[in-house]
Amino acid sequence: QKEVEQDPGPLSVPEGAIVSLNCTYSNSAFQYFMWYRQYSRKGPELLMYTYSSGNKEDGRFTAQVDKSSKYISLFIRDSQPSDSATYLCAMSAYGNKLVFGAGTILRVKS
Amino acid sequence: EAQVTQNPRYLITVTGKKLTVTCSQNMNHEYMSWYRQDPGLGLRQIYYSMNVEATDKGDVPEGYKVSRKEKRNFPLILESPSPNQTSLYFCASSPLIADTQYFGPGTRLTVL
Repeated sequence: QKEVEQDPGPLSVPEGAIVSLNCTYSNSAFQYFMWYRQYSRKGPELLMYTYSSGNKEDGRFTAQVDKSSKYISLFIRDSQPSDSATYLCAMSAYGNKLVFGAGTILRVKS
Repeated sequence: EAQVTQNPRYLITVTGKKLTVTCSQNMNHEYMSWYRQDPGLGLRQIYYSMNVEATDKGDVPEGYKVSRKEKRNFPLILESPSPNQTSLYFCASSPLIADTQYFGPGTRLTVL
């Protein structure tokens, strides 16, 4: 079993929809949680960073962490065609390397 | 501008011909790492370095070498490339091992 599981998609939604992207994990020591966005032919770039449990909001993006369920989510409101990309979750325990999910391909249709 | 640079961006080579992919960062980061990305497998770490002269194997180190003689540079060396090393490679750096990583633009390698 992988340490971090992420549905690869592709997830296809119409413009304006609310998108929910999710990852589950098995290591209870994880406490730093990140979401990266990767456009085609580009390197991943940090989108959201959350420490421990709770929610964090940044514009149209909301990251949620539920440590009791070992489940993290990224919500995108009012999705745009420019949000079409691969979204990777990543997480780490204190003093340890990041572990990445396989990434979910998102397509937002205009 | 704070960045991680990689060269070359695209490379087609033949089996057994030694190659080096360079990586450089200008953020004075301690931690640097190499990943390969393959469809359905996500990012897999090849090697990482905690600081100068300190390197260690990641999850898929076979067939690769690295060196860290200077803080800013972390080249990836393929001594005898094989077709199963055809992949998209990313270099990344961060202040510390568990921190946000900053990725380079990627190097697409094809080994024939």
